[in-house]
Formats: sequence, C-alpha cells, structure tokens
Amino acid sequence: GQNIDQPTEMTATEGAIVQINCTYQTSGFNGLFWYQQHAGEAPTFLSYNVLDGLEEKGRFSSFLSRSKGYSYLLLKELQMKDSASYLCAVRDRGNQGGKLIFGQGTELSVKP
Amino acid sequence: NAGVTQTPKFRILKIGQSMTLQCAQDMNHNYMYWYRQDPGMGLKLIYYSVGAGITDKGEVPNGYNVSRSTTEDFPLRLELAAPSQTSVYFCASSYSIREEQYFGPGTRLTVT
Repeated sequence: GQNIDQPTEMTATEGAIVQINCTYQTSGFNGLFWYQQHAGEAPTFLSYNVLDGLEEKGRFSSFLSRSKGYSYLLLKELQMKDSASYLCAVRDRGNQGGKLIFGQGTELSVKP
Repeated sequence: NAGVTQTPKFRILKIGQSMTLQCAQDMNHNYMYWYRQDPGMGLKLIYYSVGAGITDKGEVPNGYNVSRSTTEDFPLRLELAAPSQTSVYFCASSYSIREEQYFGPGTRLTVT
C-alpha cells in the first residue's frame, strides 16, 4: 500500500527558515509534489521532484531522497503570507492516470 | 484562460437528494481529477479521467459517478446524498501525468 506522513502543524517566526518533512512508502515511486493551500482556497503547485537532490525556486526549495523515502520543503525568509497548509503528494509508478496520493498536510503558522 | 472552473461554490443538500458538481477547464488538458477534502485532512481522489470517454475510480468512488464526454468538462454526480459526503470537492486538471495539477476553487457541500 501507500502511506505518506508529515507533521500536523508547525510554528515559525517571520524572517526565519522552516523545514517541513515528508516520509512516504509506495510500491513504486514516480515523483513527489508539494502544494500550498491557504485556508478556504484551492491547492497551488510549489515544486516537483523525481530525482534525488535539491530543487530551488526562489524562497522555496524541495529535497528528495528516494532511497530513504524522504522529502522536505524548505521555506526561507518566512513571511506572514506563508501561513498555510503544505501538502506532500506522491505519484506511484505504473499509475496510468497520474494519480497522486496526498498526505494530510502540515499547517504552518508564521508569527511576527 | 479561466483555468479550472467549478460550480456551484456552495450547496446544501438534504439526505437522499441528488446533484451534479460541474467542472470545466480551458487549457486543453487531457487529465482531469475529482478530489474531496475533509476538515484537517489531505485530498482523497474520487475519480479521474485520462481523456474524453475514459474514466476510472480513485480511492473513494462509492456514492459518486462521473462522465467525460468532452475534453473540457468533467461533471461529478451524487445520486443519493449522505451526511458522509459533506466535504469540500476540488476538481483538477493536468497536461500530462508528469505535470502539476491545476485545481479549481472548490465546491463546499453540506448534506443534512
């Protein structure tokens, strides 16, 4: 089966750096996505990793280790608007429809 | 481009009633998806489609039906509404299985 774990909630201070971890178990891995979801809104795409290593995109970076079944999302220079839920999602190999399995999400609160 | 649009935004149903949630995209995406999101939880896939005329079940298909007669539209049908179907429903689309999914604004459904 498939299982994705991420912390339920985290708190960080404006201007700081925060790392949100995601561990997964799948029968065949074929890519990992991170989405941001503000309260009452739709998820929006942040990053995609399919190979090991770090992908950097502005203040956001995402890391993947396939051998460890592990990813993290790194947010730098935190801003109040970064308060949101961050969803980790894994696509399984052999998955013809591109189906994603989502974790429960990590609720990040950024304090002044 | 309007992206992914969903109607209605909100709906209250009585137990046993039926309704159709509408979803349309104008990005010429072949892949379309329906998810539900319960409070504090991640997204669960209900149904998906890899192209017009082709649909398949996701993780939680019971109580729902879909059709895909055109590339643009992917309606979700609830035949006999139950309180367990109270949720927020998101429609999404993607160009390919390797690309990110774009989400609509969601439909908040309450069944009482």
